[in-house]
Amino acid sequence: NAGVTQTPKFQVLKTGQSMTLQCAQDMNHEYMSWYRQDPGMGLRLIHYSVGAGITDQGEVPNGYNVSRSTTEDFPLRLLSAAPSQTSVYFCASSYVAGAGDEQFFGPGTRLTVL
Amino acid sequence: TQLLEQSPQFLSIQEGENLTVYCNSSSVFSSLQWYRQEPGEGPVLLVTVVTGGEVKKLKRLTFQFGDARKDSSLHITAAQTGDTGLYLCAGELGGYNKLIFGAGTRLAVHP
Repeated sequence: NAGVTQTPKFQVLKTGQSMTLQCAQDMNHEYMSWYRQDPGMGLRLIHYSVGAGITDQGEVPNGYNVSRSTTEDFPLRLLSAAPSQTSVYFCASSYVAGAGDEQFFGPGTRLTVL
Repeated sequence: TQLLEQSPQFLSIQEGENLTVYCNSSSVFSSLQWYRQEPGEGPVLLVTVVTGGEVKKLKRLTFQFGDARKDSSLHITAAQTGDTGLYLCAGELGGYNKLIFGAGTRLAVHP
């Protein structure tokens, strides 16, 4: 059981480039989400999904796209990277989207946009 | 403006001391979670509190949820060097397990 995996671990982009951050879980969890973590600001929710084919915006969705074609995968796309998107990105999953259900976090992707 | 205010931001103590970390908000949360994060890793859940006034204990860690479900505290008794890390509180707001995180408390316990 690998849990929540994220690739790549590190990435450097130039302004305007696009890329996809990969997230996968093997726990058959329905709920998946993406957060970004910036110094002094904690984690902020970007997008989330309550099941395959269903996604919705979180607190800071601008500049990011997501899709959920399978239960296992939840990729995060940056269409045109900006320096403000320099951050550490975490993917998380939980069995259901119920109150207080434990979320399992991946190890993170550290992204730098020059 | 942080929806969930966490204090203190930094804490440096000696082994054996006690400490308390606070999370405060003007919003009512359906649940409040505490996480611990090590450098280079994702947060790991310590506890979830759901009921107003609830107290949960995890060995030397005591977690309390305020009666109005707007605030919470984490108390560590007789801190150990292994307690060093970043502690995050997160409130569930609006259902669907959408979490609002505090900025975190970076704890350093020295031998």
